[in-house]
Amino acid sequence: DAGVIQSPRHEVTEMGQEVTLRCKPISGHDYLFWYRQTMMRGLELLIYFNNNVPIDDSGMPEDRFSAKMPNASFSTLKIQPSEPRDSAVYFCASGQGRHEQYFGPGTRLTVT
Amino acid sequence: GNSVTQMEGPVTLSEEAFLTINCTYTATGYPSLFWYVQYPGEGLQLLLKATKADDKGSNKGFEATYRKETTSFHLEKGSVQVSDSAVYFCALAGVSGGYNKLIFGAGTRLAVHP
Repeated sequence: DAGVIQSPRHEVTEMGQEVTLRCKPISGHDYLFWYRQTMMRGLELLIYFNNNVPIDDSGMPEDRFSAKMPNASFSTLKIQPSEPRDSAVYFCASGQGRHEQYFGPGTRLTVT
Repeated sequence: GNSVTQMEGPVTLSEEAFLTINCTYTATGYPSLFWYVQYPGEGLQLLLKATKADDKGSNKGFEATYRKETTSFHLEKGSVQVSDSAVYFCALAGVSGGYNKLIFGAGTRLAVHP
């Protein structure tokens, strides 16, 4: 298996622009998680899905952030409009039941 | 609430030294416990896990034992290498409902020098 795939790996954008991050989970996994990692706040869970349904989005910072999972093999995290404080590494992870999560390589987002 | 506490870093060791990174947890029920490792510029990778009390997880020379009586899951390695330099995260899961939401510690940075 190719593992969790994220794109793009790096994204540089200007403040106010829309940013879309993409994730392809491992086939057969029924959970998908979006995390954000910064030096100041560490690793934060933003939202997770079970069988394509959002279960807990309490970690989403504000209405500028939205996430979708239209099918079992694809999810997006969108920031609109982006702000410099959104600069971070965003990770997608997938898992199955009460088992461990497998992380993607991350997308490094820089908002100038 | 459910939480994980790790020893603060950075931990700096010479090659071939013994490593211990402490991890304690607070949880209701019977969580599964994990250690993840993050190498520079990469995502987190599962290092080892234990799913019930007294289980020992092991991988790549690292070990950790699930101690329910002390609510601990300390990571150990007998002889570290420069290539072990990374950030190590302790985590727990499975304490609420049927989902596997991970609760992470803050991470401990390990630097190994030749």
